Amino acid sequence: QVQLQESGPGLVKPSETLSLTCAVSGYSISSGYYWGWIRQPPGKGLEWIGCIYHSGSTYYNPSLKSRVTISVDTSKNQFSLKLNSVTAADTAVYYCARDPRTVAAAGLLDWGQGTLVTVSS
Amino acid sequence: DIQMTQSPSSVSASVGDRVTITCRASQGISSWLVWYQQKPGKAPKILIYAASTLQSGVPSRFSGSGSGTDFTLTISSLQPEDFATYYCQQTNSFPYTFGQGTKLEIK
Repeated sequence: QVQLQESGPGLVKPSETLSLTCAVSGYSISSGYYWGWIRQPPGKGLEWIGCIYHSGSTYYNPSLKSRVTISVDTSKNQFSLKLNSVTAADTAVYYCARDPRTVAAAGLLDWGQGTLVTVSS
Repeated sequence: DIQMTQSPSSVSASVGDRVTITCRASQGISSWLVWYQQKPGKAPKILIYAASTLQSGVPSRFSGSGSGTDFTLTISSLQPEDFATYYCQQTNSFPYTFGQGTKLEIK
């Protein structure tokens, strides 16, 4: 069973960089699949941030593309999210997830528990 | 980007009722449509992928249909544990996009 666990600071100051890591267990990231980040502002809906393929190819939401970087560290079996120049609008629960996309289907099958990141001075 | 529009945004129903939630894509997405259930304080859980394929372990009272631009999620007989928020998501192309969610409440 694949398990994902987000970690990182719960409080980030405005204009600084939000950095989160997702540790994966039960599966080797280097073996395949897409690995993504999703966020959910308090009381609101889900927003897809972006994902990285096991080979390193990245795909980002155009609304965040100028501020987002997703990377993978296969030696630690984890992937990371960096979002720079944050504002209060970036306050949200951040989830990491696995997408076992194939030629026939795709979806976020396994999710981390989520971590709340608050942007405030 | 492909826009996903869900309706209704909220619905009240009773245990045993049949409920249908719809999702419309702004352009054709074939069957690249996923449904999730989210309970308060929890991560979303995948229910249906490829528009109509039930994820392993999901009760058969959940079903999905549609292709192209119009999709539906049906719960045939509501159970107490089904009261939650439901989201559709297109996975036809990046960026993936979600519907705004449908909150299913107890009447």
